[in-house]
Amino acid sequence: DVKVTQSSRYLVKRTGEKVFLECVQDMDHENMFWYRQDPGLGLRLIYFSYDVKMKEKGDIPEGYSVSREKKERFSLILESASTNQTSMYLCATMGSSSGEQFFGPGTRLTVL
Amino acid sequence: SQQGEEDPQALSIQEGENATMNCSYKTSINNLQWYRQNSGRGLVHLILIRSNEREKHSGRLRVTLDTSKKSSSLLITASRAADTASYFCATRSGAGSYQLTFGKGTKLSVIP
Repeated sequence: DVKVTQSSRYLVKRTGEKVFLECVQDMDHENMFWYRQDPGLGLRLIYFSYDVKMKEKGDIPEGYSVSREKKERFSLILESASTNQTSMYLCATMGSSSGEQFFGPGTRLTVL
Repeated sequence: SQQGEEDPQALSIQEGENATMNCSYKTSINNLQWYRQNSGRGLVHLILIRSNEREKHSGRLRVTLDTSKKSSSLLITASRAADTASYFCATRSGAGSYQLTFGKGTKLSVIP
């Protein structure tokens, strides 16, 4: 079974802090994704990566950056956290041949 | 941008009844997928249907796809309390695209 882990289930940070959210997968998948999920808005894609050191902007990249130095790890960075970034963050992976995405358990981030 | 839109937004049924959820989308697709999310957790892939397929079954799940109407439906037969969750449709636009576009979901409550 694919295992996708995220560094924290719950995180509380202060406005202006730099925040790192980490995602690790064990299935050697090329593609990794970061989403945020908000009530009434569903899942929105922030960034994705189709290979090491490669990244593409999703629908809402503003205020975020990403890093993929190793195939198994995809990090989401909030350079200066703001209260409107309070949300559930979900990481997902997908192999090139399969059509489905595998999700981590999510990180619920609160920015005070 | 949101591609899929689920209908209804919320559905409450008795255990043993069937549950039907619908999804409409706007542009042509390579495949359409359904995911389930238990409260506060990550999404779990349920079933994938390709654009050249009309119907697919998996256990108590039945998915139909009508590309002429740009719509899909998910039927859960003989529902159980454990089926209580949110259900999302997601579309993949092309074979060369790795992105999925998710709808806002249907919240299903199965009352014991």
